[in-house]
Amino acid sequence: KQEVTQIPAALSVPEGENLVLNCSFTDSAIYNLQWFRQDPGKGLTSLLLIQSSQREQTSGRLNASLDKSSGRSTLYIAASQPGDSATYLCAGEDFNKFYFGSGTKLNVKP
Amino acid sequence: DTAVSQTPKYLVTQMGNDKSIKCEQNLGHDTMYWYKQDSKKFLKIMFSYNNKELIINETVPNRFSPKSPDKAHLNLHINSLELGDSAVYFCASSQTGTGRGETQYFGPGTRLLVL
Repeated sequence: KQEVTQIPAALSVPEGENLVLNCSFTDSAIYNLQWFRQDPGKGLTSLLLIQSSQREQTSGRLNASLDKSSGRSTLYIAASQPGDSATYLCAGEDFNKFYFGSGTKLNVKP
Repeated sequence: DTAVSQTPKYLVTQMGNDKSIKCEQNLGHDTMYWYKQDSKKFLKIMFSYNNKELIINETVPNRFSPKSPDKAHLNLHINSLELGDSAVYFCASSQTGTGRGETQYFGPGTRLLVL
C-alpha cells in the first residue's frame, strides 16, 4: 500500500526566500503525483500535476519534480511571499485513488 | 460560482446520532469522491462514485453510507456517530474517473465534531 511522507512538517521562512518542500512515497508504481495547497477552513487547490512520464512541471514561481526511481518529489517555491502561507500536500495517484501525505505547513513572514 | 460545494460547513452533534453531509458539483464531472482528513492531517479516500455507481469503497465502517441521486450529487450519511468520526470530510470530483492522471477538484470540507 502506498505511503506518502512529507518533510518538514512545518516551515517558517522570511519573505523572499526560495524554499523546497519534500515528498517521498513507498511504491514507485505511482502513476502521477499532485501537489495541493490547503488554506485554513478551505478545500484543496491543485497546484501542479506531474504525470508518470514527466519529470517536472512549472507554474509561475512553483516548480515540482518527480523521481519515481527514488520515490521522491519536491516542490520548489521561488521568492516566497506571505500569501504563500498555507499547508502544502502531495498526493500519489493510482487509478483515481489518491494517497496523501500529512502536509507541510508553510509560514512566510513579511 | 463554487465548483464543488458541501453542506454543512460545520457539524456538531452528539454520539449516537445520525447525520448527513451533502456534496454537489457543477463541473459536469462523472466521478465524485469522499475523503476523510483526520487530526494528523492525513487525507484518506473513503468512497468514489462514477455516474451514480460505486467504484471505490475503502475499509470504511458500514455506518457510513454514500448516496448518489445523480452524478452531480454525492451525499454521505453516517449512522450512530462515534467520537472517532470527528474529522474534516472533503468531497471531490474529476472529469471521468476512469483514467489516470486527472485533476480532482475539492470542496471546502465539512468539519464534523462528535461530542
